[in-house]
Amino acid sequence: AQTVTQSQPEMSVQEAETVTLSCTYDTSENNYYLFWYKQPPSRQMILVIRQEAYKQQNATENRFSVNFQKAAKSFSLKISDSQLGDTAMYFCAFMKHATGTASKLTFGTGTRLQVTL
Amino acid sequence: DAGVTQSPTHLIKTRGQHVTLRCSPISGHKSVSWYQQVLGQGPQFIFQYYEKEERGRGNFPDRFSARQFPNYSSELNVNALLLGDSALYLCASSWGGQAGPIFGYTFGSGTRLTVV
Repeated sequence: AQTVTQSQPEMSVQEAETVTLSCTYDTSENNYYLFWYKQPPSRQMILVIRQEAYKQQNATENRFSVNFQKAAKSFSLKISDSQLGDTAMYFCAFMKHATGTASKLTFGTGTRLQVTL
Repeated sequence: DAGVTQSPTHLIKTRGQHVTLRCSPISGHKSVSWYQQVLGQGPQFIFQYYEKEERGRGNFPDRFSARQFPNYSSELNVNALLLGDSALYLCASSWGGQAGPIFGYTFGSGTRLTVV
C-alpha cells in the first residue's frame, strides 16, 4: 500500500514571498503520478500541478513548481510570489499507474497555508 | 461548462438512518469516484465507477454502496449511519481509463454529512 506524508500541518508566508510545502511518499511502484491539490474554504479540490514519475523534468505551472526527487520519494511544492488567494489547504496525492483497475488517489493529511499581508 | 455538481450540499441525519448522495460529472466524463474527507484529514477513496462498472472499492464497510447510471451520474448510499460517518463526501470525475491520471480529476464541492 502507498502512503503519503505531509509533515507540515501549517505554514505561513507573506504576500509576494516564496514558500515550499513538503511531501514524501512510500511506494514499491515504479510507474505512478503525483499531484498537488488545493482546497480553499469553498471545499472544492482544485488541481494545482501534476508530475509523471517517468519524467525527470520537474513540472511547473505559472507560479507553482515542484521538486521531484524520485530516489528520495520526495515531492515538494514551491509557490512563488504568494498571493492572498493562495490561502488554502494543500494536499499531496499519489496515484499508481493502473490498467483496468481503479485509478485511486492516496492523499496526505494536508498543509494549511496562510498568506498574510 | 458546468463542473462536477453534488447534491445536497449539506445534510443532517440521525444514527441508523440511510442517506443517498448524488453526483453529476462533467459532460463527457465517464468515470466517477467517491471520497470521504473526515475533518482535519485528507480524502479517503471509497469507490470508482467507469462506464457503469465498479472499478475499485476502498476499505469501507458494506454499508457503503454506489452505482453509476447510463448518463454517468452516480449515487453513493450509506445505510445504518454511524456518528463516524460524519464527513465531507467528495465526488470526482474524469474521462476515465488511462486518461484519469493524464488529465487529472475534477472534484465537486462535496456534501457535508452530519450524523447526530
